[in-house]
Amino acid sequence: DSGVTQTPKHLITATGQRVTLRCSPRSGDLSVYWYQQSLDQGLQFLIQYYNGEERAKGNILERFSAQQFPDLHSELNLSSLELGDSALYFCASSFTSGTGNSPLHFGNGTRLTVT
Amino acid sequence: KNEVEQSPQNLTAQEGEFITINCSYSVGISALHWLQQHPGGGIVSLFMLSSGKKKHGRLIATINIQEKHSSLHITASHPRDSAVYICAVDGGSQGNLIFGKGTKLSVKP
Repeated sequence: DSGVTQTPKHLITATGQRVTLRCSPRSGDLSVYWYQQSLDQGLQFLIQYYNGEERAKGNILERFSAQQFPDLHSELNLSSLELGDSALYFCASSFTSGTGNSPLHFGNGTRLTVT
Repeated sequence: KNEVEQSPQNLTAQEGEFITINCSYSVGISALHWLQQHPGGGIVSLFMLSSGKKKHGRLIATINIQEKHSSLHITASHPRDSAVYICAVDGGSQGNLIFGKGTKLSVKP
């Protein structure tokens, strides 16, 4: 058990809708990372928060946004959903602000299906 | 050309065999991660290394920074090792891991 909790596990929704994915990091970890895994693109980094502040941005669409709350849990909001947004969305956490100096702990992912 | 290349893409082995998965990268890095993704989808971090060699049970990871190459070895492979193994590098931009496409390993009893 990584200690990282993601909810929901599965989400099925229609095009044009908006959804919110939630992540609670491992106890003591200050960084939260969001990744998207699609069949054709593999794993891609979306965005990172460290202690409540946005730290780094990757290939995140403008329709997507995220935030980290004072209790360090994070939410990823996906809006105006398209079929191509169907993917596994992973959250990971670490103690430090970068992935180069402390291990990552992954959640089990949220499988999003857009119909 | 992808910044992180893994080989082979697919690997089938018999139980007990010694397995090697390779990862080459083209960017300067501060660390390299080996991840394991089980058929159910969950990802487990196996190793994070920036130099030398690390060992955990039957798994060994090595990295050669000069040659920009890392290997993951599994000794005495077992069917429960069947999974996708993913190499990811930290290119220095904080939070930005660059992932390989993964190696799908199947170990037959």
